[in-house]
Amino acid sequence: GENVEQHPSTLSVQEGDSAVIKCTYSDSASNYFPWYKQELGKGPQLIIDIRSNVGEKKDQRIAVTLNKTAKHFSLHITETQPEDSAVYFCAARSSGNYQLIWGAGTKLIIKP
Amino acid sequence: GAGVSQTPSNKVTEKGKYVELRCDPISGHTALYWYRQSLGQGPEFLIYFQGTGAADDSGLPNDRFFAVRPEGSVSTLKIQRTERGDSAVYLCASSLEANQPQHFGDGTRLSIL
Repeated sequence: GENVEQHPSTLSVQEGDSAVIKCTYSDSASNYFPWYKQELGKGPQLIIDIRSNVGEKKDQRIAVTLNKTAKHFSLHITETQPEDSAVYFCAARSSGNYQLIWGAGTKLIIKP
Repeated sequence: GAGVSQTPSNKVTEKGKYVELRCDPISGHTALYWYRQSLGQGPEFLIYFQGTGAADDSGLPNDRFFAVRPEGSVSTLKIQRTERGDSAVYLCASSLEANQPQHFGDGTRLSIL
C-alpha cells in the first residue's frame, strides 16, 4: 500500500524567511496530495492541495509543487509569520481510494 | 456551525468500558471519514462512509470498533471493552463527495485509564 514520508520533522526559520517541507510517496497511482496545518488542540486544517495533472499550485504565500516522476511533492511558505507556527502534514490519496495516507508531520517554528 | 462538530471534546474512562464518539459533518456532505491520531503522528484512517453505508472499514483495528451513520448525516464511532492502547485523538472529516477535499473537526481526545 501507499507510504508517505515527510521531512524534516522539525523546521525552525527566522520570521520573514521561507520554509520548505518535502514529502515522498510510494504508490504511483496516487493522484491527490493535500497539505494540512494543525495547531495544538485543533483538528487538521486544509491549506492547499494539488492533483496529479498539475505541477504547481499557488495561493498567496503558500505554494505546492509536484514531481510525479520522482514521486515527491513539497510545500513552500514565503514571508513566514509567527502565526505560521504549527505542525504541517502532507498526505496522499490513490485513485479509486478515498482514505488519506499521511506523513508524520513537520513542526514549523517561526523565530521572531 | 459551518464546520465539522465532534462531541465530546474530551472523554476519560476506565479500561473495559464502552464509549461512543459523535461526529456531525458539514451540512450536505455525503462522505464521512474517521481517523485516529496518536501523539506526534499523522492521522490513521479507520473507516469511510458514503451516505449511510460503510464503503471502506479496512482501517478499523479489530472488532471492538464499530461505526454507524444511520441517516447519512451524524455518525457515531463505538468502542467496546476499551484498552489503554485505544487512547488517542479520534478525528472525523467530511467531504461534499468522496473525491473532494476532506474537512476535519477538532477531534475527541480519548483517554483510557
